[in-house]
Amino acid sequence: DAKTTQPNSMESNEEEPVHLPCNHSTISGTDYIHWYRQLPSQGPEYVIHGLTSNVNNRMASLAIAEDRKSSTLILHRATLRDAAVYYCILVQGAQKLVFGQGTRLTINP
Amino acid sequence: GAVVSQHPSRVICKSGTSVKIECRSLDFQATTMFWYRQFPKQSLMLMATSNEGSKATYEQGVEKDKFLINHASLTLSTLTVTSAHPEDSSFYICSARDRLAGGRSYNEQFFGPGTRLTVL
Repeated sequence: DAKTTQPNSMESNEEEPVHLPCNHSTISGTDYIHWYRQLPSQGPEYVIHGLTSNVNNRMASLAIAEDRKSSTLILHRATLRDAAVYYCILVQGAQKLVFGQGTRLTINP
Repeated sequence: GAVVSQHPSRVICKSGTSVKIECRSLDFQATTMFWYRQFPKQSLMLMATSNEGSKATYEQGVEKDKFLINHASLTLSTLTVTSAHPEDSSFYICSARDRLAGGRSYNEQFFGPGTRLTVL
């Protein structure tokens, strides 16, 4: 499984943008970049995914480097409810998800 | 849409007993469901992949005789922890992939809320 590297923790303030980085230097051409997040005491939820181009949805934006060796999940205006562990996962086709340690995001009021 | 439920949400049992956890896809059909285990402050660890109508595929190091998985229908998979011991206490989470998604690369999985098992 291609590996990803994320900071263990990050902190931000409410209503400010948050940029969560992910390094995946060994990514292959067919790996999709997925982001999931896990709120306390809950199961994970899908956030966003992409292959080469930047992606936007109602939850977040995903910026993918031109060489695809890194990506950044962007929360445009963080709220307290965005406090969670964010996982960056590389997935090929219908393969299983392999979770790393993720980034624990703390949002200050 | 795409809701996955788990039952029970929490269970406390005595050492040596067996516990069954149900995972249901409520508004879609799932040919494949996944079972994860998560210890406090740790990440999710995949235990097994459950395929409807066939035997589950277990990850290395997971005892298939201890963690029995049955996926008898397109909307239900069960995990039975047999002869549970305190070290089996954990947060068990299932996920499901929409049958209609097939092998599409975005491969979104829908997760249940988890079941917290405490073995005394």
